[in-house]
Amino acid sequence: GAVVSQHPSRVICKSGTSVKIECRSLDFQATTMFWYRQFPKQSLMLMATSNEGSKATYEQGVEKDKFLINHASLTLSTLTVTSAHPEDSSFYICSASNRKESGELFFGEGSRLTVL
Amino acid sequence: GEDVEQSLFLSVREGDSSVINCTYTDSSSTYLYWYKQEPGAGLQLLTYIFSNMDMKQDQRLTVLLNKKDKHLSLRIADTQTGDSAIYFCAESANQGGKLIFGQGTELSVKP
Repeated sequence: GAVVSQHPSRVICKSGTSVKIECRSLDFQATTMFWYRQFPKQSLMLMATSNEGSKATYEQGVEKDKFLINHASLTLSTLTVTSAHPEDSSFYICSASNRKESGELFFGEGSRLTVL
Repeated sequence: GEDVEQSLFLSVREGDSSVINCTYTDSSSTYLYWYKQEPGAGLQLLTYIFSNMDMKQDQRLTVLLNKKDKHLSLRIADTQTGDSAIYFCAESANQGGKLIFGQGTELSVKP
C-alpha cells in the first residue's frame, strides 16, 4: 500500500539553529501534502497545506517565515523550522493525498523535534 | 468555526466493548475518520465513513454516524490490551483534504 516517509524521525538541536524535516510519498504522487504539529497529550493542529509548485497555504496563527514549506516535486515536501527555540519542540507529522486513487490521506510516522 | 470534540479518557476491561464518542460542528463535513496513535508513533487510519452512511462495520470496529446530531462513535468489540492507544476522530469536507482533529481519547484496556 501507499507509504509516506518522514525523515528524520527524531532530531535534537541547539536553540537558534534551523532544522529541515522531509516528507516523501514513496509510491504515489502527492500534489498536496499537509503539515501538522502535535504537542504532548494534545491533538494534531494543521499548520499548512503544501501544494506542489506553488506557495503553501498557512493556517491562522502559524508564522510562515518561521516554518518554511517547500513542495518542489510530486513526492517531496519539506518543512524547515528556522531559528528554532525550545517552544518549537514538538511532534511534526505530515500527510499526503493520493488524489489519483481514492484520495485517501496517508500519514508519515512523525518527526520529534527537541530544541535545547 | 470547525470544531471536533471527544472525551479525553476511556478505561475498559479486556474482552469488553469500547465505545468512543465524537461530536463535530461543521455541517459540510463529508468524510469522518477514526485514527489510532500509539505512543511516539504516527497515525494509523482505522476506518472512515461518508456522511451519507449511517453505519460501517469492519471486523471488530463499528462506526455509527448520526448526521442530524453531528455525532460519531467508534465501537471496538472484544477490546484487547493491544488496543490501548489514543483514538482521534477527524472530519474533512472533501477526501484527501485537510483534516480537523478532535483532542483524542486515551483508551486504557485493563487485563
